Amino acid sequence: EVQLVQSGGGLVRPGGSLRLSCAASGFTFTSYWMSWVRQAPGKGLEWVANIKQDGSEEHYVDSVKGRFTISRDNAKNSLSLQMNSLRAEDTAMYYCARGGAAPTDWGQGTLVTVSS
Amino acid sequence: DVVMTQSPLSLPVTLGQPASISCRSSQSLVYSDGNTHLTWFHQRPGQSPRRLIYKVSNRDSGVPDRFSGSGSGTDFTLKISRVEAEDVGVYYCMQGTHWPRTFGQGTKLEIK
Repeated sequence: EVQLVQSGGGLVRPGGSLRLSCAASGFTFTSYWMSWVRQAPGKGLEWVANIKQDGSEEHYVDSVKGRFTISRDNAKNSLSLQMNSLRAEDTAMYYCARGGAAPTDWGQGTLVTVSS
Repeated sequence: DVVMTQSPLSLPVTLGQPASISCRSSQSLVYSDGNTHLTWFHQRPGQSPRRLIYKVSNRDSGVPDRFSGSGSGTDFTLKISRVEAEDVGVYYCMQGTHWPRTFGQGTKLEIK
């Protein structure tokens, strides 16, 4: 059974940093692109970032470029999202997902709240 | 960026009746390898999204056959042949052909 277990959300002040993690199991992690997608409260889904199987390629939505970094540890089957210089508009539920072009399985989500 | 436009945004449907959601993209979603990366997701309140359909018309395992996807190029449709109570929630289309990936605004299906 595919499992994506997320951790690391919470309340952070504007300008602060947070690191999200996603522990993957039940599939061959190194065979898949991985994604982060977010959803602001009461809003729709927004794609955030993708990373290739070997970590050699990363893509980001413009609004997070230079502030967020997606990474993966294939030895530990884990995906991360380092978020710096956080803004109020980054407040959202963040989901990790398996796959890039058409994410299949999704984590349970982790809430990030940016507020003073 | 590729803009994904869904309609309608709100869809009240009587149980047992069909439903249809349109998704239009501002650019062709045909990738260089010939695949069209148009995906449909369903999200119930308080839950993570669930993938229903990938590459326009391929139903995921466990998805009832009352769900079907069709379309090509820039014009796509999700159809539910007979709506059931469990189908309520928000439906999103997403394109995975171009960077950045983009989602439609979502269509909220409710039972009349």
